[in-house]
Amino acid sequence: AQSVTQLDSQVPVFEEAPVELRCNYSSSVSVYLFWYVQYPNQGLQLLLKYLSGSTLVKGINGFEAEFNKSQTSFHLRKPSVHISDTAEYFCAVSSGTYKYIFGTGTRLKVLA
Amino acid sequence: NAGVMQNPRHLVRRRGQEARLRCSPMKGHSHVYWYRQLPEEGLKFMVYLQKENIIDESGMPKERFSAEFPKEGPSILRIQQVVRGDSAAYFCASSRRDRSIVNTEAFFGQGTRLTVV
Repeated sequence: AQSVTQLDSQVPVFEEAPVELRCNYSSSVSVYLFWYVQYPNQGLQLLLKYLSGSTLVKGINGFEAEFNKSQTSFHLRKPSVHISDTAEYFCAVSSGTYKYIFGTGTRLKVLA
Repeated sequence: NAGVMQNPRHLVRRRGQEARLRCSPMKGHSHVYWYRQLPEEGLKFMVYLQKENIIDESGMPKERFSAEFPKEGPSILRIQQVVRGDSAAYFCASSRRDRSIVNTEAFFGQGTRLTVV
């Protein structure tokens, strides 16, 4: 069985500071990894995904994530956040089926 | 090109009533997925439908829940005789192809927040 853990339910950070949102997963098979963002009153939007190849993945809005197989992690990072990055972020894993497994989400609040 | 549309956005039902949640996929998408997010939990897969077919309903509770995706019109998630434990956010996603095909992106709606009082 697969699972995803997002340990931080809320992360406050000041504007222009760096941020890292943590995601750990467990799986007995190879996985694909995803980060989704949900802005207030909107649907989930794909930020980035890791399917294969380079372990450093770049996504939209300046976000990037690094797949670390030995640590079973896929942490999301941004070097300098903006107020507009305030949203909820979901990490998800799939073993290649349509049954994505999502974490519980991390609320990022960017403070002025 | 409108995104995935879910309605209503918020739904309040008394225990024992029926809840009907609607999902209109993006234009050209014939694959629909429903997820449920219970408080303090991640999104959990419920059901995968293609037009007029239920492909996988392994995540659906055995009783009171049903889903359909007719040839015409939106996909409907129906919950009969709701109980307090059904209070959750229900998300719908759609894709052009089966998401098990690598690089097939699914687009999510804004969700319906169901509150059972």
